[in-house]
Amino acid sequence: DTEVTQTPKHLVMGMTNKKSLKCEQHMGHRAMYWYKQKAKKPPELMFVYSYEKLSINESVPSRFSPECPNSSLLNLHLHALQPEDSALYLCASSQDLGLAHEQFFGPGTRLTVL
Amino acid sequence: AQSVTQLDSQVPVFEEAPVELRCNYSSSVSVYLFWYVQYPNQGLQLLLKYLSGSTLVKGINGFEAEFNKSQTSFHLRKPSVHISDTAEYFCAVRYTGTASKLTFGTGTRLQVTL
Repeated sequence: DTEVTQTPKHLVMGMTNKKSLKCEQHMGHRAMYWYKQKAKKPPELMFVYSYEKLSINESVPSRFSPECPNSSLLNLHLHALQPEDSALYLCASSQDLGLAHEQFFGPGTRLTVL
Repeated sequence: AQSVTQLDSQVPVFEEAPVELRCNYSSSVSVYLFWYVQYPNQGLQLLLKYLSGSTLVKGINGFEAEFNKSQTSFHLRKPSVHISDTAEYFCAVRYTGTASKLTFGTGTRLQVTL
């Protein structure tokens, strides 16, 4: 199984809502990532987890809160988002943080903030 | 700062014609190079990667790329494109000393027409 799955596929939320994005992989990977991608732009790194510990936070606003409950699962909790946070949120995983290891991407969650 | 340049934002090409998508990176002692493809409303899929060894790398779907250290380039080529190759292509680089970060280029939209 070389797949990263993400749910939901689409999400519409108001600025006062609380929602969560979920990412799962069963490849035994120990590094997991959250990216944000705006239209016609490359993905921007948000967070990196290594062995279930937060390794990198790219100065992401606190309204985004990541969580890695176990080695297969990565969540992104959303609260009080702004319309400019509307984007495609991509999850990825890799064997570990080794530079030579490719990242496998999920299909993304299309988020719209009203 | 380390950077990746994809000079062509769009490349229109007729079906069965050859194509080259250009990628240049800022000079560094050691780099690991990747090409990803993103079809509409999907995540990123790895086409090929250069880690070391032979400078000509073959990937999936008939694509290949050549690592040129003196030119700091990693151009992607395909001898004969198909309509189904229409997508966004991202060059990405991992520089030693930058932890696990993938630095993406701005992307090239390949548009294949009949």
